[in-house]
Amino acid sequence: KAGVTQTPRYLIKTRGQQVTLSCSPISGHRSVSWYQQTPGQGLQFLFEYFSETQRNKGNFPGRFSGRQFSNSRSEMNVSTLELGDSALYLCASSPSGGGSGPTYNEQFFGPGTRLTVL
Amino acid sequence: GNSVTQMEGPVTLSEEAFLTINCTYTATGYPSLFWYVQYPGEGLQLLLKATKADDKGSNKGFEATYRKETTSFHLEKGSVQVSDSAVYFCALSDWEYGNKLVFGAGTILRVKS
Repeated sequence: KAGVTQTPRYLIKTRGQQVTLSCSPISGHRSVSWYQQTPGQGLQFLFEYFSETQRNKGNFPGRFSGRQFSNSRSEMNVSTLELGDSALYLCASSPSGGGSGPTYNEQFFGPGTRLTVL
Repeated sequence: GNSVTQMEGPVTLSEEAFLTINCTYTATGYPSLFWYVQYPGEGLQLLLKATKADDKGSNKGFEATYRKETTSFHLEKGSVQVSDSAVYFCALSDWEYGNKLVFGAGTILRVKS
């Protein structure tokens, strides 16, 4: 079974530009989450999509947005890039959208997209 | 809100030494707890998990026990190898927030031969 794939793996942009990152989850997985990883702030949750609906959102400005398609593939977009947006962006997929009780569906992470803003 | 605190690194050990990485958490509900590992240039891999109090997660010689009374989930391994060198993240997931994971800052582990 193929793992989570993210494209592109590396990206260099300049301030003020916008960028779109793509994530293809494991086949059959319906939940996709996005995280930002930086040396200063660590791993921070951006948002989660389940069945094309945003389920949760982290504390990021509106410049960060995402969407999910009917085949569960997800994209995230960052508009008006700032130097501080330089980070590793990780995508994770899971079979379900969480829920109540002790059952947990493991999240599988992709290799990430390394974004550098100059 | 929910949070995770783990010991700062880097932790440097000799091969075959005993490893402990401390992790404590704050959560309003009944979270599940996880340890993830990140090797250089890669994404995160789930190392082990525990979904309720007193559960012990284990994998590849690593162990951690969910201690509700001390709100802790310390990672241990009896004998580390050079190949264990990586960054280790403690994390929690609270059901109210779907699949959202809250991570600790990460601990760099370096194992010398």
